Amino acid sequence: GAGVSQSPSNKVTEKGKDVELRCDPISGHTALYWYRQSLGQGLEFLIYFQGNSAPDKSGLPSDRFSAERTGGSVSTLTIQRTQQEDSAVYLCASSSLGQPQHFGDGTRLSIL
Amino acid sequence: DQQVKQNSPSLSVQEGRISILNCDYTNSMFDYFLWYKKYPAEGPTFLISISSIKDKNEDGRFTVFLNKSAKHLSLHIVPSQPGDSAVYFCAAFNNAGNMLTFGGGTRLMVKP
Repeated sequence: GAGVSQSPSNKVTEKGKDVELRCDPISGHTALYWYRQSLGQGLEFLIYFQGNSAPDKSGLPSDRFSAERTGGSVSTLTIQRTQQEDSAVYLCASSSLGQPQHFGDGTRLSIL
Repeated sequence: DQQVKQNSPSLSVQEGRISILNCDYTNSMFDYFLWYKKYPAEGPTFLISISSIKDKNEDGRFTVFLNKSAKHLSLHIVPSQPGDSAVYFCAAFNNAGNMLTFGGGTRLMVKP
């Protein structure tokens, strides 16, 4: 499709396990963002990629969180040693420079 | 420290009437504002935006008003339709930053 694609749509895992969340941005969009939305909360910025520049990691809540973007396209958000407070919907967005961000439908992560 | 606030968690409006969603911000560096609409289990979709050099932007049934001196913006939907029922997020951007700062959202319910 033409939109931002995220996988998996749902992920249930046990506390302490590692998880990887994937984002396929809209083709040609140079900027890619990760956000998360905890229950009843607004969207919280996590990390931002722009072209080949070093990512802005200022929103990552701990060193258990990391993300990479390969070839300027697909991005993977990795959470190591998951905790129950990591349960949230993780949203990816992409945009062209100066344009509104387009969001995927998110990955709902549940940590048991 | 919430830089973007939506003080009404929910709003109920009769079909055909006007819906007014409000948003306040504290950071005077914000220079671009957006409204996103979110249905359950879907990512936010961009609705309308306004630059800080304007005080009004209109697109069909949707109008966004910006009052810079009061650091306040509002989204007007008229006439409201049942399909407008969703969570609406206000977001702000500054050209020195790399990410959107979101409010906590307002759930709009339009009753037939």
